[in-house]
Amino acid sequence: DVQLVESGGGLVQPGGSLRLSCAASGFTFSNYWMSWARQAPGKGPEWVANINEDGSQKYYVDSVKGRLTISRDNAKNSLSLQMNSLRAEDTAVYYCGRRLSSGIEYWGQGTLVTVSS
Amino acid sequence: QSALTQPASVSGSPGQSITISCTGSSSDVGGYNDVSWYQQHPGEVPRLVIYDVTKRPSGVSNRFSGSKSGNTASLTISGLQAEDEAEYYCSSYSSRPTPSYVFAAGTQVTVL
Repeated sequence: DVQLVESGGGLVQPGGSLRLSCAASGFTFSNYWMSWARQAPGKGPEWVANINEDGSQKYYVDSVKGRLTISRDNAKNSLSLQMNSLRAEDTAVYYCGRRLSSGIEYWGQGTLVTVSS
Repeated sequence: QSALTQPASVSGSPGQSITISCTGSSSDVGGYNDVSWYQQHPGEVPRLVIYDVTKRPSGVSNRFSGSKSGNTASLTISGLQAEDEAEYYCSSYSSRPTPSYVFAAGTQVTVL
């Protein structure tokens, strides 16, 4: 079975940093585009970033460009999201996802990031 | 503010069919066949029910179907069941202002 397990969330002050990780199993990780998406409390999902199979292509929503960086380690079946210069509006549950063309087919259970002083 | 517009709520009786619309522009829905739909029950993770406008992932009931006409995509749920009561979100690739995927604000489906 496909499993995606996020970790690394927590409480951070505005301007601070966090690194989220996603451990993938149950499929050939290196064969898939992967995504990070987030969902603020009481809001709908928001796409954050995509990365292609070998990590050579990365795309971001405008609001996180220059602050959040997606990366992957295919040898470790791991996806990461480095989050710098965090803002209150970045507060959300962050999900790791495996893409199926235009959609995110598999979602992890999510990790909560709270940006507050 | 989302570039995609969905009705806030749609309702139907068990066994009926309902359709949820998702209206965008030529820069997103109308310009690409990259529309997906997600179902989300309270407290749960979003679930992909339609991708590439019309395709169903493995395991998704054929009661769910997708279509597109111009700048509007639609999700139809036929034979409505109590378990279909959930929030539904459309998403599309968008080329403007920069390449990205955008989500609509969602539609609450109520089974009467």
